[in-house]
Amino acid sequence: EVQLVQSGPEVKKPGESLRISCKGSGYHFSRYWIGWVRQMPGKGLEWMGLIFPGDSNITYSPSFQGQVTISADKSTTTAYLQWRSLKASDTAMYYCARTEPYYYGSGSHFDYWGQGTPVTVSS
Amino acid sequence: DVVMTQSPLSLPVTLGQSASISCRSNRSLVYSDGNTYLIWFQQRPGQSPRRLIYKVSSRDSGVPDRFSGSGSGSDFTLKISRVEAEDVAVYYCMQGTHWPYTFGQGTKLELK
Repeated sequence: EVQLVQSGPEVKKPGESLRISCKGSGYHFSRYWIGWVRQMPGKGLEWMGLIFPGDSNITYSPSFQGQVTISADKSTTTAYLQWRSLKASDTAMYYCARTEPYYYGSGSHFDYWGQGTPVTVSS
Repeated sequence: DVVMTQSPLSLPVTLGQSASISCRSNRSLVYSDGNTYLIWFQQRPGQSPRRLIYKVSSRDSGVPDRFSGSGSGSDFTLKISRVEAEDVAVYYCMQGTHWPYTFGQGTKLELK
């Protein structure tokens, strides 16, 4: 069974650093992109970036470039989203989701999502 | 970024009636491989998004056949026939053709 299990809720102060995780299981982790999506309180969904664990190819949305760092560890089948210095405006729910490279052609794009990690940044 | 515009943003529906959500993009969503990566998600309160429809009209396994997707190019529709109480949720369209991928604003389906 395919699963993406995210790390637990975080409460941080402005200026602190943070890394949240997304552990994939039940599929070949290295062969699918993992993406991160932000949902601010009461708002819609925004793509932040994608990583292909097989070769660590990363693409960021221009809105998030330089604001966060995405990484992955194939050995532990875990993807990460990291901040160096949090702001109150980073308060949101963060989801990870997997997607296949389109040339696979199996339709497995954006089909499995993690349960979400709520991040609260407040002084 | 590609702008995805959904309408309506609020959709009151009577149980058993049909509902329709429109999603328009400001660019064609046909990818270089000839496919159109338009996806519909359902997000129930307190839950993660759940994929319902991919590549415009392919329904995910386990999704009731009351849900159907249609459209082409830059104009798409999600139809829900015979709305049930479990359909109360926010519905998002998303384009996966042009990076950065983008979502519509969401349509909140509620019962009258």
